[in-house]
Amino acid sequence: DTGVSQDPRHKITKRGQNVTFRCDPISEHNRLYWYRQTLGQGPEFLTYFQNEAQLEKSRLLSDRFSAERPKGSFSTLEIQRTEQGDSAMYLCASSLVRLGTVNQPQHFGDGTRLSIL
Amino acid sequence: GNSVTQMEGPVTLSEEAFLTINCTYTATGYPSLFWYVQYPGEGLQLLLKATKADDKGSNKGFEATYRKETTSFHLEKGSVQVSDSAVYFCALSDLRIQGAQKLVFGQGTRLTINP
Repeated sequence: DTGVSQDPRHKITKRGQNVTFRCDPISEHNRLYWYRQTLGQGPEFLTYFQNEAQLEKSRLLSDRFSAERPKGSFSTLEIQRTEQGDSAMYLCASSLVRLGTVNQPQHFGDGTRLSIL
Repeated sequence: GNSVTQMEGPVTLSEEAFLTINCTYTATGYPSLFWYVQYPGEGLQLLLKATKADDKGSNKGFEATYRKETTSFHLEKGSVQVSDSAVYFCALSDLRIQGAQKLVFGQGTRLTINP
């Protein structure tokens, strides 16, 4: 179990630029989640995937945000035309959900901290 | 909608003191409840969980009991250590098998333990 891996750990960019983050979940996990955490707050749900299908998106996920999980393994989160309000920690989590079982714990990565200048 | 409310921090204690961090929730149905811990510069680690009323989750000396009648899941530890200094998050998720099972978090409580 190598854990959930996120890259990069830190990203500093100018307002208006595009950024892309990557998440590698635990290998056998079929569910992958993205959360956003702003300073002094708890994480907020953005979106999740079951294998390669994106099944739910939060209202927090504006049109500038897009997430993919093309082969049901790693996932990317892209933010276009970044704004200062996008500055936050972006957390990825994964879990294994089997038919007939519920609420397997989500395992989190260390996050990508995004700073918009 | 579902929500979680934690006691406001920061909380500062001396080593070996007794710890309580309060957590109450609002949810439809019967959610699962969790405590996550976040050390500086790191992601969240699951500390303990409880999936039904009266369950007690425990780990590393921490424990919390799922109280349906008071909609609470307070975190306790009998004797804290400096290494327990971190931010603690209470969270819930929907039990529905076909649902997203996304986590809803409280705002976090920063705990500092002084030697």
